[in-house]
Amino acid sequence: DIQMTQSPSSVSASVGDRVTITCRASQGLGSWVAWYQQKPGEAPKLLIYAVSNLQSGVPSRFSGSGSGTDFTLTISSLQPEDFAIYYCQQANGFPYTFGQGTKLEIK
Amino acid sequence: QVQLQESGPGLVKPSETLSLTCTVSGDSIKSHYWNWIRQPPGKGLEWIGYMFDSRSPSYNPSLRSRVTISIDTSKNQFSLKLTSVTAADTAVYYCAREGIVAAASLDYWGQGTLVTVSS
Repeated sequence: DIQMTQSPSSVSASVGDRVTITCRASQGLGSWVAWYQQKPGEAPKLLIYAVSNLQSGVPSRFSGSGSGTDFTLTISSLQPEDFAIYYCQQANGFPYTFGQGTKLEIK
Repeated sequence: QVQLQESGPGLVKPSETLSLTCTVSGDSIKSHYWNWIRQPPGKGLEWIGYMFDSRSPSYNPSLRSRVTISIDTSKNQFSLKLTSVTAADTAVYYCAREGIVAAASLDYWGQGTLVTVSS
């Protein structure tokens, strides 16, 4: 299986901050990396697909980048509704795998 | 508007079979890959498997010996069966659609259903 390791596991930040979450794959990936946001009691919500494509309806403060084994999700200016858990996911190899999650908390 | 809704028992006894159904509305079940994902309480996400129309499904090797995913095109539903369950199978189970534009990512999810394995 392709392991996806996210860092940090948790981060505290303030409204207006810029935050970057990293996902490192255990082997090189192509373009099939996605990012999700999950709030308590809710299903995950797709934010970014194919490394850097913004899902329809997602605010432009979210962006994704990366290649090879290293991928990042950046939130340019945190809003109150952004405090949640974020997961990366790869679909380059079976089984699909997710990172362990990054919890974004209010400072 | 695409909607997915999981249904099935919330409590299953150890060694029995977990059975869930996902009803899809607003889209044809023949048009996408349809996935099952689970999340143990307080933990991360685990992909279970997917199926596309009448093609052979793909499963997570960690569950392959116990899992079956099937599609009922007449009802626009797909289903999950997991046999010989243990407490480790207690989780919120989600069904999700794999996108076409949002390729290889899960663009629509059901709300999830908690399945507890306990006697």
